[in-house]
Formats: sequence, C-alpha cells, structure tokens
Amino acid sequence: DGGITQSPKYLFRKEGQNVTLSCEQNLNHDAMYWYRQDPGQGLRLIYYSQIVNDFQKGDIAEGYSVSREKKESFPLTVTSAQKNPTAFYLCASSMGSATEAFFGQGTRLTVV
Amino acid sequence: SQQGEEDPQALSIQEGENATMNCSYKTSINNLQWYRQNSGRGLVHLILIRSNEREKHSGRLRVTLDTSKKSSSLLITASRAADTASYFCATGIYNQGGKLIFGQGTELSVKP
Repeated sequence: DGGITQSPKYLFRKEGQNVTLSCEQNLNHDAMYWYRQDPGQGLRLIYYSQIVNDFQKGDIAEGYSVSREKKESFPLTVTSAQKNPTAFYLCASSMGSATEAFFGQGTRLTVV
Repeated sequence: SQQGEEDPQALSIQEGENATMNCSYKTSINNLQWYRQNSGRGLVHLILIRSNEREKHSGRLRVTLDTSKKSSSLLITASRAADTASYFCATGIYNQGGKLIFGQGTELSVKP
C-alpha cells in the first residue's frame, strides 16, 4: 500500500533528551513537511523540504532539526533546546510544492 | 505566523442542515486547500482550488475563493453525523519554497 508512515505513535521523553521522530513515504513525493499541533489548535509549520538534501525553516523551527538524505525519509529531531515539546507532530508529503498533501497518523510526544 | 484565520471556531448543526466555514488569509497565494481531521488522527485532503478559480465542487462539498477579499468558504450540504470533525484551510505558496500554511480550524459537530 502506498502511504506515509510515522513512528512511533506515542513517544515519551525525559527533559534534556533529544528524540527523533520517523517519517517515511513510498508515494514518490518530492515535498515533505513537519507540523506541530497543540490541543485545540491549528497546525504550525516546523520544517519543509522540496528536494533531497535541501530543506527550509518554517514558522517554529527553533529547537528542532531535520535531514533529507533520501527522498522517502524526513526525520525530525526534537532537541533539548525545545522548551515545550509536548505536542502532536504530523508529517506530510506532496507530489509538488504546496499541492495536495498526504498526512501520516501522527506522533504524540510527551515530556515526562 | 498563521496564514489562515477560520470562522467560526466551532459549529454545531443538526443532520441534514448545511454547514458553512470561512477562511481568510493574509498574503498572495497559488492555491487554497481544505482538509478534514478526525480527533487524534492525521489530516485528509478534501479539495484544492487554484488562485484563478472562483468555485469548485466535489460531491457534497462546495468551495469558493475570492482573491480580492483574500477569503474562501467551504460549504458541506446535507450534513451527516459522520461529517463531525475539524476542518482546516491551507494556503499554498509556491514562491516561498512551496510553503503550505494551515489555519486554526473549525470544529464541526453534526447531531443526529
């Protein structure tokens, strides 16, 4: 089945730790995105990438890092510099820039 | 910064009624998209309207776009309980590296 897969579904992090969220797609899409969603809120753009080995900061990139070494993979690292990381993280991909996006099922990150 | 502002934030209607949600945005766009999110899940793409289009239909969905007013509306006709979800507009901007920016969303509740 073609699709976009995020893992894990739930993730717990101790304060001061870095954690990496996985996002893989087999749709052969060029563009990939990471969003953060807080309870009752909309989606805020963290990072996005239109092509392998290139990515841009979104509106809330501080405390996060990404890589795009392969077309199908766009992992997000939440670093210890992110002061309030507890949130629902959504990854998406699209065929072209800013076109119809397909979303993963999300990763819920909780700091304990 | 959020590009889209949606109105109303919450909407409660009876089954069979029509639901209208509005989205306003701030900058020039290439397309505007509407997505649906069931609680705790990823988003699902509903419809995309390009900046040179004024109206688009898909099943029970009707979307309008007024670029002079920087606004869009989503109409769901003959609503069903299964339409209960959050609905988000997203603006596609090609010349900013393919940004896809989401609004705050409208929470729709359809009562049987």
